[in-house]
Amino acid sequence: EVQLVESGGGLVKPGGSLRLSCAASGFTFSYYNMNWVRQAPGKGLEWVSSIDSSSFYIYYSDSVKGRFTISRDNAKNSLYLQMDSLRAEDTAVYYCATNTGPWGQGTLVTVSS
Amino acid sequence: ENVLTQSPGTLSLSPVERATLSCRASQSVAGNYLAWYQQKPGQAPRLLIYGASSRATDIPDRFSGSGSGTDFTLTISRLEPEDFVVYYCHQYGSSPYTFGQGTKLEIK
Repeated sequence: EVQLVESGGGLVKPGGSLRLSCAASGFTFSYYNMNWVRQAPGKGLEWVSSIDSSSFYIYYSDSVKGRFTISRDNAKNSLYLQMDSLRAEDTAVYYCATNTGPWGQGTLVTVSS
Repeated sequence: ENVLTQSPGTLSLSPVERATLSCRASQSVAGNYLAWYQQKPGQAPRLLIYGASSRATDIPDRFSGSGSGTDFTLTISRLEPEDFVVYYCHQYGSSPYTFGQGTKLEIK
C-alpha cells in the first residue's frame, strides 16, 4: 500500500523550532520529487517547499524562505522539514505530498505563546 | 508567481447533473503541469487529475480534466452525493508552485 506518514507536529512558542518528518512506503521514494504543503485552519492550500529526487533542486515559498529547510534521505525513504523562527502565521496542518500521487494525512503545527 | 483563479467560488447543482469547474492561470503553466484535488472535511486532499488530463489511480471515470496553457477545466460528468465538497487546482510547473483558492460544490 502506498503511504506517506507525517510526524513531528505540536505546540511551539513563537521563535521556536520544529522538525517534521514524513515516512514513505509502498513506492520507490527515490524516484519522486516531494513537497510540503500546508493548510491554516479554515483556509485553502498553500505550497511550502519542494525537493527533487536527488536533492539538487530545492524551492521555497517566499513566506518560509530563510526560515525553513527541506531535506530528504532516500536510503531511509524519508522527507524532512526543519522549521525555525516560527511565527503564529505558520500555524497549520502540514502535508507531505507527491505531485502525481498520494498525500499524507498531515501533522498539526501550532505556534502560540 | 503564477496566480491560479478558480471559478465559480461556489457551484450549486443537483446530483446526477454535470459540473464544470474552471481554473485560469495568470501565466502559461509550464509543461501543463496542472493538477486537481478534492478535499472532504477533515481529510487530506485527494489527487484527481495530474498533467491537466491524466486521471490518478482509482479515480472514477466521471472525473475528467482538460485544457492547456492558461485555461483548465475539471468536469464531473454525473454528480454523486459524495462529490459535493471542495476542489482545488494546483500548478507544479514552475516555482513558486501555487494553488487556486478553491471551488465549493454544494447541493442545490
